Amino acid sequence: QKEVEQDPGPLSVPEGAIVSLNCTYSNSAFQYFMWYRQYSRKGPELLMYTYSSGNKEDGRFTAQVDKSSKYISLFIRDSQPSDSATYLCAILIYAGGTSYGKLTFGQGTILTVHP
Amino acid sequence: DTGVSQDPRHKITKRGQNVTFRCDPISEHNRLYWYRQTLGQGPEFLTYFQNEAQLEKSRLLSDRFSAERPKGSFSTLEIQRTEQGDSAMYLCASSLRALRETQYFGPGTRLLVL
Repeated sequence: QKEVEQDPGPLSVPEGAIVSLNCTYSNSAFQYFMWYRQYSRKGPELLMYTYSSGNKEDGRFTAQVDKSSKYISLFIRDSQPSDSATYLCAILIYAGGTSYGKLTFGQGTILTVHP
Repeated sequence: DTGVSQDPRHKITKRGQNVTFRCDPISEHNRLYWYRQTLGQGPEFLTYFQNEAQLEKSRLLSDRFSAERPKGSFSTLEIQRTEQGDSAMYLCASSLRALRETQYFGPGTRLLVL
């Protein structure tokens, strides 16, 4: 079992739709929960991160974490064609008293928003 | 702020050849990470540097792989005797100690081994 499982999609939605992207994780030691967006042939860029259960909003994006069920989600409101990309959930863990975090990624969900 | 840069962006090589990739992190970022991403998968952690010290290496990093970060600035990742299974995108990321949650990624080097 992978440490982070992500619905691979692909997802295709009309412009203006609400998009829901989901991941589950297995390690309770995970401490930070991130969402990255990756356009084709580019490196991932950080969208949002959170470390507690609950919701965190940033414009049209809402990150949701439920630590009791080990479930994380990203909601995109009023989706735009420019949101078309691969979305990666990632978990950051500080293990063994280390002072750095190692990211563990889901496999990514390909999202297409069509006009 | 020019972001994380990587060179080359693309590399095609024949099996058995050696290749070297370079990463220039964001200036003043003392933490540097290498990841590998294969088609349809998320990036996988390879190794981590804090300044010039390599503090962790993944089991994915076989003996054919070596990474350096002389003087804690740019980093190089070398693959010796490349195999077709090494074909992937190699991503570099950097972070600043004070904001350790935020890793900024470069555009990656796409390697194809024929």
